[in-house]
Amino acid sequence: DAGVTQSPTHLIKTRGQQVTLRCSPKSGHDTVSWYQQALGQGPQFIFQYYEEEERQRGNFPDRFSGHQFPNYSSELNVNALLLGDSALYLCASSFRGSPYEQYFGPGTRLTVT
Amino acid sequence: TQLLEQSPQFLSIQEGENLTVYCNSSSVFSSLQWYRQEPGEGPVLLVTVVTGGEVKKLKRLTFQFGDARKDSSLHITAAQPGDTGLYLCAGWALYGGATNKLIFGTGTLLAVQP
Repeated sequence: DAGVTQSPTHLIKTRGQQVTLRCSPKSGHDTVSWYQQALGQGPQFIFQYYEEEERQRGNFPDRFSGHQFPNYSSELNVNALLLGDSALYLCASSFRGSPYEQYFGPGTRLTVT
Repeated sequence: TQLLEQSPQFLSIQEGENLTVYCNSSSVFSSLQWYRQEPGEGPVLLVTVVTGGEVKKLKRLTFQFGDARKDSSLHITAAQPGDTGLYLCAGWALYGGATNKLIFGTGTLLAVQP
């Protein structure tokens, strides 16, 4: 049973560019949440998707957007990249009936130069 | 804004020593979780505490939820090098009265020297 998978593993982008990160949830899970983790800090909640809609959002600007597909996989898009967007982006999946049990993927390390 | 402050921020100890990590907030959480994260990996859930005053034991790890559900502690007995990692507390906060979102603490980086 595959856990949460994310792609790519690492990514280097230039300031002002746009990036798309991808996440496949654990089998049986229907909810995907995205987090940003700066180096040496705890993850910060970006947003959560369920039934292909954004259900909750943290304190992140509109440059951060997402999508969930019918197969429950999800994408995180960031436009007009800033140096401060450099971080580890984590995807977590859960089942709507057990919202407190989140499983995290290994993350995508984004570096903006 | 709900914040979770962890202390200490860094901890380097020798194998066999005991340690306690603290997680404090001015806000009440419906439940609180502890995660451990190793380099290059995502956080892994260790425990969930729900009731104020609750104590849970997981082998050498003891977790406690404060009576007022605003704080928690993690105690490790006889630490081993395999315990090395970033320990994160995270609280589930009510959002819009129905759903919840997870708020992570600032993290405690533990290094256990053999």
